[in-house]
Amino acid sequence: GENVEQHPSTLSVQEGDSAVIKCTYSDSASNYFPWYKQELGKRPQLIIDIRSNVGEKKDQRIAVTLNKTAKHFSLHITETQPEDSAVYFCAASDSGYSTLTFGKGTMLLVSP
Amino acid sequence: GAVVSQHPSWVICKSGTSVKIECRSLDFQATTMFWYRQFPKQSLMLMATSNEGSKATYEQGVEKDKFLINHASLTLSTLTVTSAHPEDSSFYICSARDSGRGTGELFFGEGSRLTVL
Repeated sequence: GENVEQHPSTLSVQEGDSAVIKCTYSDSASNYFPWYKQELGKRPQLIIDIRSNVGEKKDQRIAVTLNKTAKHFSLHITETQPEDSAVYFCAASDSGYSTLTFGKGTMLLVSP
Repeated sequence: GAVVSQHPSWVICKSGTSVKIECRSLDFQATTMFWYRQFPKQSLMLMATSNEGSKATYEQGVEKDKFLINHASLTLSTLTVTSAHPEDSSFYICSARDSGRGTGELFFGEGSRLTVL
């Protein structure tokens, strides 16, 4: 089955800095890669996703890059704000209707 | 976005009792729902895939008789933790996809925090 590795487990940045979280996956058949943000005690919410036919996707301060050859994808947050502080999970799936395998999560702390 | 509602949000029970958690898709139909378990500061671990009108598919290591799943309609799946013990205390979250959207986005319920005394 799919195995998703995520690094780092914690990331502390100053407000305004950029943050990068990296994930690798094992199953070459995976073609859907979402990123979820989970605030303490709340449900995970999708912030951005990318499919294997695209190398990069941006949404305002958030971007995701995908390297299918190397089987890794990354989340980039620019101009970080304190409200970006949360746990971020990457995930991979072999199709839009298959189960998602999640990484272990990255706790992002943005200090004012 | 699509809405998935989970109830109850919090439940405290005595050891040996059973607890039922409901997961509803409010504005779409879901033939498949997923149940996850999350321990503090850990990731989401898939427990089982709930299939409408048929038996759930359990992940390796998850006891079928311990975690009973029923998916009786296209908008409701239930997870029953039977004979709960303190080690079952955890955050349980359900999720579903809106197949009508044609995307892979998984929508999560609010989660249910179970504490077994």
